[in-house]
Amino acid sequence: AQTVTQSQPEMSVQEAETVTLSCTYDTSESDYYLFWYKQPPSRQMILVIRQEAYKQQNATENRFSVNFQKAAKSFSLKISDSQLGDAAMYFCALSGGYQKVTFGIGTKLQVIP
Amino acid sequence: GAGVSQSPRYKVAKRGQDVALRCDPISGHVSLFWYQQALGQGPEFLTYFQNEAQLDKSGLPSDRFFAERPEGSVSTLKIQRTQQEDSAVYLCASSLVRTSGGPRTGELFFGEGSRLTVL
Repeated sequence: AQTVTQSQPEMSVQEAETVTLSCTYDTSESDYYLFWYKQPPSRQMILVIRQEAYKQQNATENRFSVNFQKAAKSFSLKISDSQLGDAAMYFCALSGGYQKVTFGIGTKLQVIP
Repeated sequence: GAGVSQSPRYKVAKRGQDVALRCDPISGHVSLFWYQQALGQGPEFLTYFQNEAQLDKSGLPSDRFFAERPEGSVSTLKIQRTQQEDSAVYLCASSLVRTSGGPRTGELFFGEGSRLTVL
């Protein structure tokens, strides 16, 4: 079984500032992927960033980066220079085994102008 | 189309009615997933197809839920004798890679979902 835990139901950040969203997970798989997905109010889920568990280097995608701590089973998302369009639900997710993806309950991010 | 398409976007059903939700995945995508997302919650796995084969249906909440993908492309999720607790957004996602062989990225491409309200 695999589990994903997001302990921050809501977060807020001032525009142009930096915010970090937390996630912990558990899996018995040795080969797995971790993701952060963004779900704006329109509901369509889109991929923000992906991390392969076998890679030690933290993934980055423009203003988005992760802090992957494999031993601690922690996978946080850092958003730099926050923009109004970043406001959304953010879901941490884990894919192990045959690719079934397990999601956390989400963190609602508010960006304050 | 370029993305995953789901229909209907919104469905209101009276308790006890049967509903059918359709998913048209990205062309060529081997894997197809159905998720249920209750209000304020993360998506919960329902079932998984690789081509036409339903390889995992462990997340289906009851035998009232049935999914099929007969030709390995379009999929239908059917809910019989709907109950109020079935009210949720039903998300479909597809992925290019199969479970064995080839690059494995795990990325899912989601549709916009079908919002089911059972009165």
